[in-house]
Amino acid sequence: KQEVTQIPAALSVPEGENLVLNCSFTDSAIYNLQWFRQDPGKGLTSLLLIQSSQREQTSGRLNASLDKSSGRSTLYIAASQPGDSATYLCAVMTTDSWGKLQFGAGTQVVVTP
Amino acid sequence: DVKVTQSSRYLVKRTGEKVFLECVQDMDHENMFWYRQDPGLGLRLIYFSYDVKMKEKGDIPEGYSVSREKKERFSLILESASTNQTSMYLCASTSRDSRFYQPQHFGDGTRLSIL
Repeated sequence: KQEVTQIPAALSVPEGENLVLNCSFTDSAIYNLQWFRQDPGKGLTSLLLIQSSQREQTSGRLNASLDKSSGRSTLYIAASQPGDSATYLCAVMTTDSWGKLQFGAGTQVVVTP
Repeated sequence: DVKVTQSSRYLVKRTGEKVFLECVQDMDHENMFWYRQDPGLGLRLIYFSYDVKMKEKGDIPEGYSVSREKKERFSLILESASTNQTSMYLCASTSRDSRFYQPQHFGDGTRLSIL
């Protein structure tokens, strides 16, 4: 059974520092890996989706890498801002035909001014 | 822009009650999902549906059922609510054709408390 782990569970950085969030998964048979952001009491907002054939994806200050063979993905957020404070979740799409996602527990990020 | 709407943001019910959580999406998506989210556990899949009247169990279906009578609406039912079902419930949808390269779209969640 696919297991997804995010370490650390919480992270606090001063404004302007780069953020590095880690995600690992146990089964490399995936279709894609997705990164989401969740603000307190809210639903999930998609940040980046990396397909299994890709090595990385970029959107603005966000860059996500994928090493499928080692079961790892890293989300980089450059020049962090207080507005980046949120919980970040990664999820892998399993190889059944319906598009189910297996989620990690998330990393709670606080960016201090 | 895809909109996934969950009928209630907060809900308080009593043990033993039958509870209905409603989710509606406006993008004609075939696939819809119900998750629950608990601290330290992330999101866990309860049930999903890939078409009208079609449903499949997820990882934690016990104590729940679902209904999909129309394509846009997916309901989660707690047959007899118990305190261990107190949680945040999230609905999501995705297109069958683009599910591998488009992300799931989520509603804002329903925070359910069972007393």
